[in-house]
Amino acid sequence: KNEVEQSPQNLTAQEGEFITINCSYSVGISALHWLQQHPGGGIVSLFMLSSGKKKHGRLIATINIQEKHSSLHITASHPRDSAVYICAVGLNTGNQFYFGTGTSLTVIP
Amino acid sequence: KAGVTQTPRYLIKTRGQQVTLSCSPISGHRSVSWYQQTPGQGLQFLFEYFSETQRNKGNFPGRFSGRQFSNSRSEMNVSTLELGDSALYLCASSYLGSGPQRETQYFGPGTRLLVL
Repeated sequence: KNEVEQSPQNLTAQEGEFITINCSYSVGISALHWLQQHPGGGIVSLFMLSSGKKKHGRLIATINIQEKHSSLHITASHPRDSAVYICAVGLNTGNQFYFGTGTSLTVIP
Repeated sequence: KAGVTQTPRYLIKTRGQQVTLSCSPISGHRSVSWYQQTPGQGLQFLFEYFSETQRNKGNFPGRFSGRQFSNSRSEMNVSTLELGDSALYLCASSYLGSGPQRETQYFGPGTRLLVL
């Protein structure tokens, strides 16, 4: 049983397209994180959110606590957005931290 | 500010050996967390150290241990290595000390361990 489910697993888009990556979770959380991992392994934290919506440049993250669902949107996608995007949740009880399996995004020029 | 650094970047060991990995957090960060990433299991949380104390722990066997020094640098040790321990080991630091689940993490480049 996976506490965090992501979809799609793989995504190919043309440059300029609007992209959505989804994350669903089954546990009560204190916060949800979106991470970006480029080839070679380096991970960057994009967002941490516990309610509502956050925006940073072309990236937007939303969360619906009642539906236990979050989305990461990329507007005007660019080849440099090609990476694996990982959703992670921190539980609101105890100290566990669960990760989704990631969405591999390829943006074609 | 310099980012999170990890040493070594690559390591090859044989089954049964032990290994120690090192992580230097961003200056001023007091919380250091460790993660294992494998193709089969993805990213998994190992443990978190704050002020030289292990505060959080994931579901890993006792062969995985760590410690944190007074300057916040952290080491992770794996004893009696198994083939399945081959992975990318990442550490991350954070400033506020609320725990990795509740604040933004700054990740290091990782140590890639291969167990033969």
